[in-house]
Amino acid sequence: DSGVTQTPKHLITATGQRVTLRCSPRSGDLSVYWYQQSLDQGLQFLIHYYNGEERAKGNILERFSAQQFPDLHSELNLSSLELGDSALYFCASSGTGYNSPLHFGNGTRLTVT
Amino acid sequence: LAKTTQPISMDSYEGQEVNITCSHNNIATNDYITWYQQFPSQGPRFIIQGYKTKVTNEVASLFIPADRKSSTLSLPRVSLSDTAVYYCLVGDREKAGTALIFGKGTTLSVSS
Repeated sequence: DSGVTQTPKHLITATGQRVTLRCSPRSGDLSVYWYQQSLDQGLQFLIHYYNGEERAKGNILERFSAQQFPDLHSELNLSSLELGDSALYFCASSGTGYNSPLHFGNGTRLTVT
Repeated sequence: LAKTTQPISMDSYEGQEVNITCSHNNIATNDYITWYQQFPSQGPRFIIQGYKTKVTNEVASLFIPADRKSSTLSLPRVSLSDTAVYYCLVGDREKAGTALIFGKGTTLSVSS
């Protein structure tokens, strides 16, 4: 168990809808990263937050947004969903030690029908 | 961010030692090298991290030559349960604006 909690585990929704994915980092971790992994694809970096502030952004679509709250949990909002957004969405957190490694949750599997 | 190149796939048998090499020719001075393991439908799991020379833990060793332009993950005596995708990640997480980008990884298949 990595200590990173993602909810929900599974999500099925229709095209055009909006969903929110939630991530609780390991206790004490200030950094949260979001990744998207489509079927048979690699991990695509979406965004990184550190202590509530955005630190880096990848090829995240404009329909996607994220935020990190004062209690350090993070939410990834996906709107105007398309079939191609179906994927596993992973959240990872890292500690405050220099270049601490990432610890991943078990992901949210999003299916858009 | 340093781009990484790994073999797409590797095959091995139980009990053998497996070495997976990652090339990162434009690694920066403060970049660390980190390896992750991923099973299907699970999040990647941290295996080992290093900056230079050799690092060993209970599951693997990481060899980094002096020029740091490559690194080799060594898995001793693999078992069927080591069948997974292995990712090499190079970067400086402390640098503002750093996007930690994973490559395509190496799919290791272990047979009996």
